[in-house]
Amino acid sequence: IQLTQSPSVLSASIGDRVTITCRASQDIRSYLGWYQQKPGKAPTVLIYGASTVHTGVPLRFSGSGSGTEFTLTISSLQPEDFATYFCQQLNSYPPAFGQGTRLEIK
Amino acid sequence: QVQLQESGPGLVKPSQTLYLTCTVSGVSMRSGTYYWSWVRQPAGQRLEWIGRISTSGSTNYSPSVESRVTISSDTSKNQFFLKLTAVTAADTAVYYCVRIHLGPYNYYDSWGQGTLVTVSS
Repeated sequence: IQLTQSPSVLSASIGDRVTITCRASQDIRSYLGWYQQKPGKAPTVLIYGASTVHTGVPLRFSGSGSGTEFTLTISSLQPEDFATYFCQQLNSYPPAFGQGTRLEIK
Repeated sequence: QVQLQESGPGLVKPSQTLYLTCTVSGVSMRSGTYYWSWVRQPAGQRLEWIGRISTSGSTNYSPSVESRVTISSDTSKNQFFLKLTAVTAADTAVYYCVRIHLGPYNYYDSWGQGTLVTVSS
């Protein structure tokens, strides 16, 4: 299963609402996670099961979708949100990752 | 609080074998709530799943490395291991050990800080 994220780079401003899309090459039901990675750091989980926000993650992060198309939305960008975001499918082995979306300050 | 820490050589020669250790603290690896995984990331590229091991010792590997990889564990020491044979420059990457939280929907909830492995003569 291949995952394709769009866009690859997203420029936005503090306070903006942004959406990142992840498309799967096959139906993965709701077995999708989203991760945030900052430069030089390990990823951290934001969302699992396509729409469940992980404990401690700010509620401005939300996920939706099922089947082959999924979105990660940040409702109001904060300075600490500028990072790279990856999706990951966990429907079948191997659990592949998307290529990433770099969110940068406009 | 769970912590994972990778250790191993930062430089490996081509055709040799890479060995990495992940030491887990703050939780017993014998807990049935988790599996344990290795993920790598070449510079500037996407994350690549290598494989995982369960509490019973069963394993799954990525087809891309399956012929060269072994993941094992020593739960008495709360450690798990990666062995990758016949390495090439394509194996140069930051290697992460990761805990997989099991549930109706699994997710990768705790990551080590990562260790850079360079394959070069």
